[in-house]
Amino acid sequence: DTEVTQTPKHLVMGMTNKKSLKCEQHMGHRAMYWYKQKAKKPPELMFVYSYEKLSINESVPSRFSPECPNSSLLNLHLHALQPEDSALYLCASSQAGLAGLIYNEQFFGPGTRLTVL
Amino acid sequence: AQTVTQSQPEMSVQEAETVTLSCTYDTSESDYYLFWYKQPPSRQMILVIRQEAYKQQNATENRFSVNFQKAAKSFSLKISDSQLGDAAMYFCAYSRTDSWGKLQFGAGTQVVVTP
Repeated sequence: DTEVTQTPKHLVMGMTNKKSLKCEQHMGHRAMYWYKQKAKKPPELMFVYSYEKLSINESVPSRFSPECPNSSLLNLHLHALQPEDSALYLCASSQAGLAGLIYNEQFFGPGTRLTVL
Repeated sequence: AQTVTQSQPEMSVQEAETVTLSCTYDTSESDYYLFWYKQPPSRQMILVIRQEAYKQQNATENRFSVNFQKAAKSFSLKISDSQLGDAAMYFCAYSRTDSWGKLQFGAGTQVVVTP
């Protein structure tokens, strides 16, 4: 199975709502990533988890809260978002070396299209 | 800081023809990875090809090949025998070997394939 799945495909939420995005992979990868992508722009890295521990937070606002409950699952909890947070949110996974070095062949999910009203 | 530059916002190619996408990068590292990712209209990013900087041999994957010029910090992608399914946004990406998975993407090149 070489697939990264993301749910939901589309999400519309108000600025006061709390919602979560889910990402799952069964490739045995121990590194997982969240990216934000605006239209016609490259993905921007938000968070990296390695062995279920947060290893990179790219100064993302606290209204985005990542969680990695186990090696196959990655969540992104959303609270009090702003309209400018509307974007495609991509999850990816890759192998991770034992010494913490990560081999960077990342496999991406199809994304969640988020609209904040 | 590393930067990745794709100077061609859009490239058009006829079916069965060849198109070359350019990518340059800036780094002071000697060991790193370079990638080309494809993002079709369905939006799922797919890895097209990967190059390790320590390898002199250019990577190839079927109709896709790269021209890696380490001294010039250039990493172009050639798509041969273009097909309608090749139409997509192509991103060049750079990563240090010890960067905890941090990919630096270029701005992207939109490839349009005409029948």
